[in-house]
Amino acid sequence: AQKVTQAQTEISVVEKEDVTLDCVYETRDTTYYLFWYKQPPSGELVFLIRRNSFDEQNEISGRYSWNFQKSTSSFNFTITASQVVDSAVYFCALSEGGAQKLVFGQGTRLTINP
Amino acid sequence: NAGVTQTPKFQVLKTGQSMTLQCAQDMNHEYMSWYRQDPGMGLRLIHYSVGAGITDQGEVPNGYNVSRSTTEDFPLRLLSAAPSQTSVYFCASSYSPSGRAYGNTGELFFGEGSRLTVL
Repeated sequence: AQKVTQAQTEISVVEKEDVTLDCVYETRDTTYYLFWYKQPPSGELVFLIRRNSFDEQNEISGRYSWNFQKSTSSFNFTITASQVVDSAVYFCALSEGGAQKLVFGQGTRLTINP
Repeated sequence: NAGVTQTPKFQVLKTGQSMTLQCAQDMNHEYMSWYRQDPGMGLRLIHYSVGAGITDQGEVPNGYNVSRSTTEDFPLRLLSAAPSQTSVYFCASSYSPSGRAYGNTGELFFGEGSRLTVL
């Protein structure tokens, strides 16, 4: 069965610090997809990234970067030079490539203090 | 494009009442799904659909019914509300980049959520 674990329930840092959100997943499939979503205080879910299991290249998008390591079943998310607007709950999710079904982690609440 | 639209945004029910959460999307996506979000548990899949006329159960389907008569709409029905169904509900739609029903999961587009309280 597939499972996603975000062990960090809450993280609080001061603005401009770098912060890494951990995500560990379990799956028996060789083909799967990993996602990160952001949920700001307003409540909507904002798509950040999608990565398939065959692409282990790290991804950078502005201040955001993602480190995908199949050897450790991890898909960690780093925010560089954090800003107050990054404050949100972040969810990691996994799909085993079937029928668009996602399994979500419990979420990490990130608070960036000015 | 409006994207995924959910109504109502807020609802209070008494135990035993029934109601329908509406979900509509205008992106011509084949796939639609319902999730519930509870504190500390992330989002959990209730029901999903891979196309009009086809639905299936997710992780937590008990107490909920769905139907998919059109590509655009995917209503979620609570037949007899219980306090355990107090939650925030999200509808999502998605597509398969490969055009195949299975094997390639695209980005999920979520509605704004519906907060349901059952007293």
